[in-house]
Amino acid sequence: NAGVTQTPKFRVLKTGQSMTLLCAQDMNHEYMYWYRQDPGMGLRLIHYSVGEGTTAKGEVPDGYNVSRLKKQNFLLGLESAAPSQTSVYFCASSSLLAGGEPHNEQFFGPGTRLTVL
Amino acid sequence: DAKTTQPPSMDCAEGRAANLPCNHSTISGNEYVYWYRQIHSQGPQYIIHGLKNNETNEMASLIITEDRKSSTLILPHATLRDTAVYYCIVGAAGNKLTFGGGTRVLVKP
Repeated sequence: NAGVTQTPKFRVLKTGQSMTLLCAQDMNHEYMYWYRQDPGMGLRLIHYSVGEGTTAKGEVPDGYNVSRLKKQNFLLGLESAAPSQTSVYFCASSSLLAGGEPHNEQFFGPGTRLTVL
Repeated sequence: DAKTTQPPSMDCAEGRAANLPCNHSTISGNEYVYWYRQIHSQGPQYIIHGLKNNETNEMASLIITEDRKSSTLILPHATLRDTAVYYCIVGAAGNKLTFGGGTRVLVKP
């Protein structure tokens, strides 16, 4: 199993450009998450998804959109990139507990380093 | 979710046990204690979690005090590859995880 993979690994954008980050998982997990991590800081949740076709806002959703058209993929979009969005972006996934809540053992991808000039 | 307090950094000697403390004095009865670590430039990695009993797995042991207001993660025989930032997180099952600043652990030869 590849686990959680992210594409691309690195990207440099100019202010105002758009891009999409792709996350894929092969563990048949229901829950998927997008986090950002700024230098020296912990991770902050951007958006998450509880299943195919559903998404929800996290702690810092502004400036980002997401889509979960297939269970194994979770896309993060930046419509008009800003320098404040320079960060490392991590995707994660988790399975379901018996009660339908997400298992808090999350599996993380290797990250995408994004620089916005 | 309850907040946690961890020391910002600590050193430990290779081959010795590393004891990482975490205070969570406002923890609720249904909240678990989770530990993750993040090796430089990589995604976080789940280590262990517990509710009130001590837990052990192949990576570490988790000791939770009887009043559940603090816990200690024990790496029994630290190696250089254990150098990482360790995050202590508390939350109810199914709630979103909140990663704080963590403890930067440096294992020295």
